[in-house]
Order: sequence, then structure tokens, then C-alpha cells
Amino acid sequence: LAKTTQPISMDSYEGQEVNITCSHNNIATNDYITWYQQFPSQGPRFIIQGYKTKVTNEVASLFIPADRKSSTLSLPRVSLSDTAVYYCLVGDIPDKIIFGKGTRLHILP
Amino acid sequence: DTGVSQDPRHKITKRGQNVTFRCDPISEHNRLYWYRQTLGQGPEFLTYFQNEAQLEKSRLLSDRFSAERPKGSFSTLEIQRTEQGDSAMYLCASSLLGQIYNEQFFGPGTRLTVL
Repeated sequence: LAKTTQPISMDSYEGQEVNITCSHNNIATNDYITWYQQFPSQGPRFIIQGYKTKVTNEVASLFIPADRKSSTLSLPRVSLSDTAVYYCLVGDIPDKIIFGKGTRLHILP
Repeated sequence: DTGVSQDPRHKITKRGQNVTFRCDPISEHNRLYWYRQTLGQGPEFLTYFQNEAQLEKSRLLSDRFSAERPKGSFSTLEIQRTEQGDSAMYLCASSLLGQIYNEQFFGPGTRLTVL
């Protein structure tokens, strides 16, 4: 199983760009990298997914270096509503995907 | 609202009782997943279905837990002889095979409290 390591928590201010890095040293060839966001008392919500290089959608960007041993989720111009837990997942088969504890992002005014 | 619904949203039961939770996935989704989440932890995979077939069960899913997905539509998760350690949020998710890997749509969860 590909294990991921992310910071336990991060603080930032409104309007800043936030980068959350995830390490996944034993990522397998078939594994995709996926990020989810979870607010209290809600189920996780898919943010973005990538395999290599850079992926961007209307919410975030995902940067993956050539060796794929890490990835960085970038949230542009965060607001208070971005305060949540962010999970980095690695895998290609549902039962092999581990959410871990995630990163608690706290946005300050 | 993701389109995945779960019922009930909250359940309080006494130790030793049986409980059953229901999940209604997005109608065209052929995969359905169950997770358990405790405070401060990420969701833990329990089991998943592709249509009506249960493809995998986690070792976390003891013989007191059973899940079904008759006709490949809604699913139920039953816990028999509940224990205090079963207190958690039970999350259901669904996805469409062939779409983006790992893009699962989660329901709001059922919070179980075992007294």
C-alpha cells in the first residue's frame, strides 16, 4: 500500500495562496494521486486528481514532479470557507486507498 | 448535496443491539463504497460493490458487519451486536467505473452512537 505523509496542520490568511505537500515515496506505476476536502460533519469532497506534471481545475492546481514521490496541492487566494481537512490519497484500487489523517487547514481573517 | 443520501443521519443505540444503515447512491453509479470515520481520523475503507457484487471487504469488517446491495441500487450496512467501539460516522460513497479514478461522491454520513 502506498503510504502518504502530509503536515498535520497549517495556518494561512485570507487571500493567500496555500500549498500543501504530500509525500508518497513508494507510489506504484499505476497509482493516481487524488486530493479530497472535508468539512466538519460532512463527507469528503473530491478536489483534483493527477498522474504526473500539473493539473489545474477551477478549484485548485496539483503539481507532481517527474519522480512522482510527492505532490503539492495549491489553493489560490484562499478564503475562510477553505478551512477544512485536506486528504492526499494514492492508489488505483478502492480497497488499497488510505485517507490517513489529512492536513487541517485553518484560514485566518 | 452530492446526490448520495444516507439514512438515518443519526442513530443512538444500546450495546448489543443491531442497527442497519441505508445508502442511496447517484442513480447511474455502479460502484458503491462504505467507510467508517472516527474523530480526528480519515475515513477507513470497509467494503465496496460493483453493481450488486461485493468485491472487497476490509479486515476491519468483522463478522458482525454485513453489507448488501441488492439489484445494484441502494445498499445497506448492518452491524449486529453493536459495541461501544462501533461508535463512528459511517460514510457511503458512489462512483462511476470508467470515470476519473478515485472520484467518489460521498453522502453526509450516519453518525452512530453506541451507549
